[in-house]
Amino acid sequence: TQLLEQSPQFLSIQEGENLTVYCNSSSVFSSLQWYRQEPGEGPVLLVTVVTGGEVKKLKRLTFQFGDARKDSSLHITAAQPGDTGLYLCAGYYGGATNKLIFGTGTLLAVQP
Amino acid sequence: DTAVSQTPKYLVTQMGNDKSIKCEQNLGHDTMYWYKQDSKKFLKIMFSYNNKELIINETVPNRFSPKSPDKAHLNLHINSLELGDSAVYFCASSPTRAYRSNYGYTFGSGTRLTVV
Repeated sequence: TQLLEQSPQFLSIQEGENLTVYCNSSSVFSSLQWYRQEPGEGPVLLVTVVTGGEVKKLKRLTFQFGDARKDSSLHITAAQPGDTGLYLCAGYYGGATNKLIFGTGTLLAVQP
Repeated sequence: DTAVSQTPKYLVTQMGNDKSIKCEQNLGHDTMYWYKQDSKKFLKIMFSYNNKELIINETVPNRFSPKSPDKAHLNLHINSLELGDSAVYFCASSPTRAYRSNYGYTFGSGTRLTVV
């Protein structure tokens, strides 16, 4: 059982459409992070959400942390081909060692 | 100036061989990690070192041995390579106790290992 489940797994949309990616867990996280990974590269941090109910905006990307701090969402408005990539949520888990655990990933393709 | 650099970028080798992947970071971070990304793009932590001390050792075959000569370097040596070891291996770094201040990790660009 994965600690962080993302949906959908794959998403192919046309340029200009809106989309939402979900990250769900049965565990409470002190914070959640979102990364984007492009082909041949490592994940790059987009944002960290810390407080339950928090909403952060990064240009056309809106990130929300659930009130109970068990889930998060990423909404992209008017998607562009440059948004194409693998989106990963991640949370610190594990007591003293607090390793960063990644979600199952959402592969987004935005067609021009 | 690359923050976290891994070498080599690609590694193709035969079953049974021994290989190493090197990682260096110039961010001044105290903690470094190895992650494995499988064919389904799932990223799983393998090891973590803090100031040359092993602090995370997940359920990884003991054919995998990390070595950290100093806090800026973390290498991964793999003995007796198997077909199932084929994956992309990522090195990452972060400040110590990144979870307390919600720092993210900085990743290298990965090493694609193919065992034939």
